[in-house]
Amino acid sequence: DADVTQTPRNRITKTGKRIMLECSQTKGHDRMYWYRQDPGLGLRLIYYSFDVKDINKGEISDGYSVSRQAQAKFSLSLESAIPNQTALYFCATSTSVTETQYFGPGTRLLVL
Amino acid sequence: AQSVTQPDIHITVSEGASLELRCNYSYGATPYLFWYVQSPGQGLQLLLKYFSGDTLVQGIKGFEAEFKRSQSSFNLRKPSVHWSDAAEYFCAVGTNNAGNMLTFGGGTRLMVKP
Repeated sequence: DADVTQTPRNRITKTGKRIMLECSQTKGHDRMYWYRQDPGLGLRLIYYSFDVKDINKGEISDGYSVSRQAQAKFSLSLESAIPNQTALYFCATSTSVTETQYFGPGTRLLVL
Repeated sequence: AQSVTQPDIHITVSEGASLELRCNYSYGATPYLFWYVQSPGQGLQLLLKYFSGDTLVQGIKGFEAEFKRSQSSFNLRKPSVHWSDAAEYFCAVGTNNAGNMLTFGGGTRLMVKP
């Protein structure tokens, strides 16, 4: 079984809809991250969490919110989706900045 | 704030040829440096990382990278490319500042000719 899983893997939604992307991990890591990937821009950090009670905004948090339901679960929400949120979204986990970040397989989101 | 530049968006090499992917970073202190690979339809996998010590680091799949402080570079190399190396490669820099975030470059897409 994969260490970091993301659901759904693909999603099409309409402008203005609320959508949630979910991430679960079995690695026992405290740190979890949400990134979005756009062609030519690499990965940009949306939110990160060092533990259940510690959630921080990343580089591009506007229009997004997160919830850390447990050590193993970190969800990303788009309260009112807009077309420029069409992207590939990745969840990742790690134990510290010097340690490897382990990535999920990604969620491809299309906002019409 | 730190930044990462990967000057080459696309690179095409022949199978068996050598490869060098460029990465330049901007950061005031010694950074933590990473190379990740993303195969089509997959997440990112760590190839190698540098924190301190020997400036030439070895990674998985026959890759290596050299940290050059004077040039603010961390170029990835492989002596002989295989068709399975076709993928997108990302350089990233991390710091020990508040946030401990990774900043990624824009990526280099590698194509391998038979």
